[in-house]
Amino acid sequence: ETGVTQSPTHLIKTRGQQVTLRCSSQSGHNTVSWYQQALGQGPQFIFQYYREEENGRGNFPPRFSGLQFPNYSSELNVNALELDDSALYLCASSLTGQRNTEAFFGQGTRLTVV
Amino acid sequence: GDSVTQMEGPVTLSEEAFLTINCTYTATGYPSLFWYVQYPGEGLQLLLKATKADDKGSNKGFEATYRKETTSFHLEKGSVQVSDSAVYFCALSGGHSGGSNYKLTFGKGTLLTVNP
Repeated sequence: ETGVTQSPTHLIKTRGQQVTLRCSSQSGHNTVSWYQQALGQGPQFIFQYYREEENGRGNFPPRFSGLQFPNYSSELNVNALELDDSALYLCASSLTGQRNTEAFFGQGTRLTVV
Repeated sequence: GDSVTQMEGPVTLSEEAFLTINCTYTATGYPSLFWYVQYPGEGLQLLLKATKADDKGSNKGFEATYRKETTSFHLEKGSVQVSDSAVYFCALSGGHSGGSNYKLTFGKGTLLTVNP
């Protein structure tokens, strides 16, 4: 059974650029959630995908968008990067259909915007 | 909306000391409660969970009891080790409502350092 994997692990972008982060969900999981963790803070919910549709969104602007693919992997896209977007981006997968299924997290992608 | 308030750190203890990290929450319905741990440079790992009032979650010597009357889920360990040094996050997720609703709301985290 493979865990949640994210790529890349680190990257540096310039303000105004666009970035795509990738996540492979744990085997058997059909739901992917993305979180932003600023330095010294708790993770903040960005959005969740289930059956390739967005299924809940936190307080993030539309320049944060995502996709989920038929194999349940997912992408997080951020356009027009700002310095404040520098953070650890965490992907979590879970199984929908069972109440209170716990989320399993990947190692995260550390994004630095300069 | 939902929120989690946890004891701010950092917390520094000597090995074998008793640990308590306080966590209280505000939520509608009947949330599930979690403690996650984050080791340096890593993602989050689920430490323990409780899904209903009076449930006790436990793992690796850590315990927390879901107290609905005080809306609390305090983390305890009787004897900490150096290897327990990490950031600990209290979190909740909303109740199931026919669809998927597993959004986690986290506290700000508590840095624990255990010295030999």
